[in-house]
Amino acid sequence: DVKVTQSSRYLVKRTGEKVFLECVQDMDHENMFWYRQDPGLGLRLIYFSYDVKMKEKGDIPEGYSVSREKKERFSLILESASTNQTSMYLCASSLLRTSGTYEQYFGPGTRLTVT
Amino acid sequence: GQNIDQPTEMTATEGAIVQINCTYQTSGFNGLFWYQQHAGEAPTFLSYNVLDGLEEKGRFSSFLSRSKGYSYLLLKELQMKDSASYLCAVGGRGTYKYIFGTGTRLKVLA
Repeated sequence: DVKVTQSSRYLVKRTGEKVFLECVQDMDHENMFWYRQDPGLGLRLIYFSYDVKMKEKGDIPEGYSVSREKKERFSLILESASTNQTSMYLCASSLLRTSGTYEQYFGPGTRLTVT
Repeated sequence: GQNIDQPTEMTATEGAIVQINCTYQTSGFNGLFWYQQHAGEAPTFLSYNVLDGLEEKGRFSSFLSRSKGYSYLLLKELQMKDSASYLCAVGGRGTYKYIFGTGTRLKVLA
């Protein structure tokens, strides 16, 4: 079974703090993704990575950065947390296909509250 | 523009059949996915359609018509545990990304 784990289920941070969210997958997947999920807005892609040290912006990258130093690990960084970044953050991974897409496997999510 | 539409909420009775529709307009198409998400949990993969027609998997089936930009997820013999959100997502050509719909919250009543 594919397993995607995230470093915390719940996190409370103060405005202006630097926040690190970590994600690890154990299935040797090339692709990894960070989403945030908000009521009424669905899942929105923040960043994704298709290889070590490679990253691409998703739909809402502002205020976030990412790091992928090892294939199995993908980190999301909030440089200076703000209250509008309070959300559920979901990490996912998938295999790489030269054409088309594979299903994504999701971690359990981190509910981040910024006060 | 790119858009995926699903109903926000549906209610059905235990043992019944329910059909959740999804219409999409995307630049390029590389498959349509359905995910199930229970409250407070991560989405889990249900089905994938890339060609027109019906894919059946136990109590769940998914249908795709590419010419109409339309898919549905059919759930038969509904059980209480099927109460969840169902997310439709479309893979775009030339990209590893999907676009997700906002999800349909299904309530199954006894």
